[in-house]
Amino acid sequence: AQSVAQPEDQVNVAEGNPLTVKCTYSVSGNPYLFWYVQYPNRGLQFLLKYITGDNLVKGSYGFEAEFNKSQTSFHLKKPSALVSDSALYFCAVRDLFNDGLTFGKGTHLIIQP
Amino acid sequence: EPEVTQTPSHQVTQMGQEVILRCVPISNHLYFYWYRQILGQKVEFLVSFYNNEISEKSEIFDDQFSVERPDGSNFTLKIRSTKLEDSAMYFCATETSGGSSSYEQYFGPGTRLTVT
Repeated sequence: AQSVAQPEDQVNVAEGNPLTVKCTYSVSGNPYLFWYVQYPNRGLQFLLKYITGDNLVKGSYGFEAEFNKSQTSFHLKKPSALVSDSALYFCAVRDLFNDGLTFGKGTHLIIQP
Repeated sequence: EPEVTQTPSHQVTQMGQEVILRCVPISNHLYFYWYRQILGQKVEFLVSFYNNEISEKSEIFDDQFSVERPDGSNFTLKIRSTKLEDSAMYFCATETSGGSSSYEQYFGPGTRLTVT
């Protein structure tokens, strides 16, 4: 069975500092990995994905994530945080044999001015 | 930018009643999904739909649930006899086929279902 762990309920970062939101996964085949962001009263918004190729993937709003197969991790990063990045972030995984995404519980990212 | 839309935004119903949640997918998308999120819990996959049939369903998607695309545009989720535990936010998601956007699921804003 697929699973995703986001070990931090909340991450606090000062504006302008780099941010990392952690994600580890478990899947039987090759993983397809995703990050989504949710703002209050809005749906989940796609940020970026890893399917194959370069381990470092770049996405929307300056976010990037690094796929690490040996550590089964896919941490979300941004070099310089903005207050507007404050939101709920979800990591998700699927594999070739499953259509549905398996989500982590989400991490609240709070960027302090 | 095209978006997935869902109606209604909030539905209140009594236990045992039938509800239909509606989704309008992005126009060139071919894969359709329903997820739910019970308050305070993870987003959970319910069902995927492709080529007018269910391609995958989770253990949650029992006989009380059904999906269809009745008119080639709307994608609906029906719960035949709602239970208190069906109270959740229900998200529709859609995905294109092929190209650089492969495997990217785009979510609607959700329908909050409250069963009393």
